[in-house]
Amino acid sequence: QVHLVESGGGVVQPGRSLRLSCEASGFTLSSYGMHWVRQAPGKGLEWVALISYDGTNKNYADSVKGRFTISRDNSKNTLYLQLNSLRADDTAMYYCAKDMGMVAASWGDYWGQGTLVTVSS
Amino acid sequence: EIVLTQSPATLSLSPGERATLSCRASQSVGTYLGWYQQKPGQAPRLLIYDASNRAAGVPARFSGSGSGTDFTLTISSLEPEDFAVYYCQQRSNWPPITFGQGTRLELK
Repeated sequence: QVHLVESGGGVVQPGRSLRLSCEASGFTLSSYGMHWVRQAPGKGLEWVALISYDGTNKNYADSVKGRFTISRDNSKNTLYLQLNSLRADDTAMYYCAKDMGMVAASWGDYWGQGTLVTVSS
Repeated sequence: EIVLTQSPATLSLSPGERATLSCRASQSVGTYLGWYQQKPGQAPRLLIYDASNRAAGVPARFSGSGSGTDFTLTISSLEPEDFAVYYCQQRSNWPPITFGQGTRLELK
């Protein structure tokens, strides 16, 4: 059974950093692309980043490009999102999602329950 | 960036009724359109991918149709557990992957 568990969220001051993790189980992480998607309180879904199965291809939303970095360690079955230079509008629930494919974007067929990031002074 | 516009914003129906949700793309996405369901406090769940394919475990009352710029998610006969927010998503022209703003399906 596919299981994704995010962690690392919390309250952080503007300009500071945070690293989110997503531990995967129940499938071979190294065979699939992985996404981060966020949802601000009471708002809709916003795609953040996608990483290919082997970590060689990474794509980002313009709103986070240059500040966030997606990475993965397949040997640890874990996906990461490094969040730097955080702003108030980065406040959101952050979800990791398994892609149905390996490299190019497909569909998020399994999602974690999310980890909440609050950026506030 | 492809903009997805969902309508209506809110749909009020009763169990047993038929629900029709729309998603319009600002330019053609072919059939690279998916639908997700999100219940309060839960993660999104993939319902439909590539416009008309049901994801694993999705009941047959959910169906998707359309191509190009106009798409529809139909729930043939609403069950109590179907009241939720529904999002469409495109993967035709990316990055970025984009979502619609959502349609809230509420109990009448």
